[in-house]
Amino acid sequence: DAKTTQPTSMDCAEGRAANLPCNHSTISGNEYVYWYRQIHSQGPQYIIHGLKNNETNEMASLIITEDRKSSTLILPHATLRDTAVYYCIVRVNSGYSTLTFGKGTMLLVSP
Amino acid sequence: NAGVMQNPRHLVRRRGQEARLRCSPMKGHSHVYWYRQLPEEGLKFMVYLQKENIIDESGMPKERFSAEFPKEGPSILRIQQVVRGDSAAYFCASSPYGQTGGNTIYFGEGSWLTVV
Repeated sequence: DAKTTQPTSMDCAEGRAANLPCNHSTISGNEYVYWYRQIHSQGPQYIIHGLKNNETNEMASLIITEDRKSSTLILPHATLRDTAVYYCIVRVNSGYSTLTFGKGTMLLVSP
Repeated sequence: NAGVMQNPRHLVRRRGQEARLRCSPMKGHSHVYWYRQLPEEGLKFMVYLQKENIIDESGMPKERFSAEFPKEGPSILRIQQVVRGDSAAYFCASSPYGQTGGNTIYFGEGSWLTVV
C-alpha cells in the first residue's frame, strides 16, 4: 500500500467545517483512498472512500485532486463528537488486501 | 444489521494464562482481520483470515499467538502464556468477499486485554 502523509493535529470550532488533508503522491491507479476515524477507546469507524471522483455520504465529503496525489476529507458541520484521530489510507479495493494505519490526524473540535 | 461483534470486551489474565478473543463478522462477510493497538501506539495488522484459511499472518508474533476462522462459529484469536506486554486492545474487522467497490472493512469495538 502507498504511504500517506497527514498533519499530526488540527483544531476546529464546533459548527464549522473541518477540512483534513492527506498526501498520497505514490498512489497507484488501482488504489482507493479510504478514511477511517477512531474516537478514544472505540474501534476504528469507516467514513468514506473513493477512487478518483469526489464522494459524499451522510458523514462526510471526500475531494480527490485530479492527479490523485492528494485528497481532503470534509466534515461540513463539526460537532464535539467528531473529536477523534482520522486516518487516510490507500488500499487496493479487491482481492486480498488489508489496511495499513499510519499516525493519522488528531482532530480536536472545541466549543 | 448487527456490526462486527467482539467478546469479551474486557479480559483480565494473570501472566502465564491463556487469552481467547472471539469475533463474529458482519452478516454476509467471509473475511476477518485482527489488529492490535498497544497503549499510546497505532493500530498494527496481525492476521487476515478467510473461512478455514489463513490468507496473511505477516503481522502475527511468531510464538504464543494463533488465529482461526472455522467453517462454523466465530473467529478466535488465541494468546498462550500471556505476558504483560500483551496488554492491548485487540480489534477485529470483517469485509465481504473482494469485489470492486464492495470490499470495505468494518471494525468491531475491540477487546481490551489486561495482563496482571
